[in-house]
Amino acid sequence: EPEVTQTPSHQVTQMGQEVILRCVPISNHLYFYWYRQILGQKVEFLVSFYNNEISEKSEIFDDQFSVERPDGSNFTLKIRSTKLEDSAMYFCASTFDSQSYEQYFGPGTRLTVT
Amino acid sequence: GQNIDQPTEMTATEGAIVQINCTYQTSGFNGLFWYQQHAGEAPTFLSYNVLDGLEEKGRFSSFLSRSKGYSYLLLKELQMKDSASYLCAVRPHNNDMRFGAGTRLTVKP
Repeated sequence: EPEVTQTPSHQVTQMGQEVILRCVPISNHLYFYWYRQILGQKVEFLVSFYNNEISEKSEIFDDQFSVERPDGSNFTLKIRSTKLEDSAMYFCASTFDSQSYEQYFGPGTRLTVT
Repeated sequence: GQNIDQPTEMTATEGAIVQINCTYQTSGFNGLFWYQQHAGEAPTFLSYNVLDGLEEKGRFSSFLSRSKGYSYLLLKELQMKDSASYLCAVRPHNNDMRFGAGTRLTVKP
């Protein structure tokens, strides 16, 4: 069964450093998403992406964040200058179209900022 | 703002039925979702409602009333493996998703 994959599974970085989280969505999916979940808190929407453009973004997704689909398979989230409060689990998700009711989530990348 | 409210914790007995409620107030409405999340894992899709009424899928059913901003997830014949967090989520617009804080369900023997 096709699945969304994410690398790395765990990333440790120092405050102020840039990090890039990587995702490989399901191959025929067209819509891609990033979410984060701070430990013990709710899942928060960051951004959705379609046709090489951001479709929607939340108030969390400020200038420190960017997304990119550098090739036909990868979808990345970059955090330019990490803060302690960026420590969280970051989930990538994909779906075939925007009305598809099921988003498929990847296993997540645990980001720890020290 | 987007408000999605659900109980923090619930406990039920193996074999029983449990209903997890969710109320929402969002800037728009384009569907309501229920996800299951085991500790340390990603959410997995359970159900979707966009029209009023009940959607049944095996042991799981989900109900929606758009006029009341209300949904519930019904789990029947509870099993120990159903112990998890259950996340109510609303799609306010075309391509975003807002989650509630989740209801942690504990199933006891």
